[in-house]
Amino acid sequence: AQKVTQAQTEISVVEKEDVTLDCVYETRDTTYYLFWYKQPPSGELVFLIRRNSFDEQNEISGRYSWNFQKSTSSFNFTITASQVVDSAVYFCALLYNNNDMRFGAGTRLTVKP
Amino acid sequence: NAGVTQTPKFRVLKTGQSMTLLCAQDMNHEYMYWYRQDPGMGLRLIHYSVGEGTTAKGEVPDGYNVSRLKKQNFLLGLESAAPSQTSVYFCASTAYYRLQRGGQPQHFGDGTRLSIL
Repeated sequence: AQKVTQAQTEISVVEKEDVTLDCVYETRDTTYYLFWYKQPPSGELVFLIRRNSFDEQNEISGRYSWNFQKSTSSFNFTITASQVVDSAVYFCALLYNNNDMRFGAGTRLTVKP
Repeated sequence: NAGVTQTPKFRVLKTGQSMTLLCAQDMNHEYMYWYRQDPGMGLRLIHYSVGEGTTAKGEVPDGYNVSRLKKQNFLLGLESAAPSQTSVYFCASTAYYRLQRGGQPQHFGDGTRLSIL
């Protein structure tokens, strides 16, 4: 079965702390894509990153970094030196079979000043 | 840049009523999707379309119908609304991609908040 698990329902940190959001996925497909989306309080969904199953290179974009490990079926997201504006719900998602998409339940991150 | 536009943004229905949600995209994307978002469950795929005139079921298709008569529009219909369909509905679109060369991200609309009494 295709599945995405975000075990952390809610995380609360103080500004400037580093925080890692976990994502574990299940799929039988050998070709698939992984995504992270951000949903701020305003409700829209903002694309952050995608990774395909052939590319295990980690990626850094400013304060954001992603660690993709096929051996553990994980695609974790780290925010360094968190800021209040990072407060949002973050979704990990799996795209497989060309079209079908599965989202995790989301992790609500609260960054306190 | 309009991107993906959903109409309406809010709606309240009574049980048994019908309605259609409209999704329009101006990016010439081939693929379009309808999701529902419920608290604690993330987004779940209802139906999707890979091109004009074609639709397919997603994870939770029951109680919904869709149509893609024009490439830029994807309609989601509720024939007889039920309280369990109270949710926030998101439409998304994406360009055709080749698996070996990387997937394209989905572009989302701002959502439609639907309440069924």
